[in-house]
Amino acid sequence: DAGVTQSPTHLIKTRGQHVTLRCSPISGHKSVSWYQQVLGQGPQFIFQYYEKEERGRGNFPDRFSARQFPNYSSELNVNALLLGDSALYLCASSSQGALRLNTEAFFGQGTRLTVV
Amino acid sequence: GENVEQHPSTLSVQEGDSAVIKCTYSDSASNYFPWYKQELGKGPQLIIDIRSNVGEKKDQRIAVTLNKTAKHFSLHITETQPEDSAVYFCAASMNTGNQFYFGTGTSLTVIP
Repeated sequence: DAGVTQSPTHLIKTRGQHVTLRCSPISGHKSVSWYQQVLGQGPQFIFQYYEKEERGRGNFPDRFSARQFPNYSSELNVNALLLGDSALYLCASSSQGALRLNTEAFFGQGTRLTVV
Repeated sequence: GENVEQHPSTLSVQEGDSAVIKCTYSDSASNYFPWYKQELGKGPQLIIDIRSNVGEKKDQRIAVTLNKTAKHFSLHITETQPEDSAVYFCAASMNTGNQFYFGTGTSLTVIP
């Protein structure tokens, strides 16, 4: 079975530009979460989507947005990129998401975004 | 919000020795505590987890303990091998969906 897949793997953007990152969860998983991991730190929660609805949002500016599609894949969008947005963006999928016991979350390999 | 602290930040052990990584959390509502291993250039890999209704869990060479009263949990790796070398992250989560609060990571080096 395929794990969590993210695309692209690497990306270089210029300040002020917009970026879209994509994630396909494990087959059968309905919950997708996005995390930002700055070099040398632990992942920081950005968004969680479950059954196409936003179920949680971390402490990130409105420049960050996301959505989940009917096939449970997800996109993370970041507008007006800043140098500080350079990080590894991770997607995690799990079989359950909201108001239920937490289940295991499995991460993809991430998208390495560099803003220059 | 939840705050997870992790120690030590770096750890070097001889092959065959044990390694222990400790984490504390602040919010008593947290009830799920996974541990992830991250190798260079890869995403975090779930290696073991524990829920708040359990005090200890073991999977081969890996074990996790949880002390709810003290709000701390630990990862124990026995008989370490060079392939255990990686960065390990602890995390905590409340029963509100899979929003994890991660520690700052421990870089483990197993010396052959």
